[in-house]
Amino acid sequence: DSGVTQTPKHLITATGQRVTLRCSPRSGDLSVYWYQQSLDQGLQFLIQYYNGEERAKGNILERFSAQQFPDLHSELNLSSLELGDSALYFCASSVGSGRTNEQFFGPGTRLTVL
Amino acid sequence: GESVGLHLPTLSVQEGDNSIINCAYSNSASDYFIWYKQESGKGPQFIIDIRSNMDKRQGQRVTVLLNKTVKHLSLQIAATQPGDSAVYFCAESLNGGFKTIFGAGTRLFVKA
Repeated sequence: DSGVTQTPKHLITATGQRVTLRCSPRSGDLSVYWYQQSLDQGLQFLIQYYNGEERAKGNILERFSAQQFPDLHSELNLSSLELGDSALYFCASSVGSGRTNEQFFGPGTRLTVL
Repeated sequence: GESVGLHLPTLSVQEGDNSIINCAYSNSASDYFIWYKQESGKGPQFIIDIRSNMDKRQGQRVTVLLNKTVKHLSLQIAATQPGDSAVYFCAESLNGGFKTIFGAGTRLFVKA
């Protein structure tokens, strides 16, 4: 158990809908990262927050947004969902913001868009 | 568990043998590399990292080798155990960049 929790574990929704994925980092970790893992694209970095502020952006679509709250939990919002958004979404956390900080991954949320 | 990368390269080894998993990275300017292990139904787990000023680093039962000339990383697992069965990813990043780029992964099967 990494100490990172994600809810829900599974989510099934329809095209055009909006969903929110939630992540609680390990106790003491200030950075939260979001990743998308699909069969054809592998693991892709989406976005990083550090202590409530956006730190880095990767291949995140404009339809997607994220935020980190004062209690350090984070939410990833996915809107106008398309079939191709079906994937595993992982959250990870680390103590610091630097790229050499070890990241601890949650168990993921499996999103299925029908 | 969840299936990740159904068409990944696969390495099958006998329990007790040594495993070598290879990775070609993409950017010659990358200077920090990580190996991750992902078991079925779980998120990736950090195994070992190496900076570009080193060519070898050892952990517990694992060794990472870095060959910058040919942009190649390898992960060696000694005395492979059934619990080592998983998908293994290499990842690279470069100084000044925030993004970590992950390789496609290799599926390791350990036969008892």
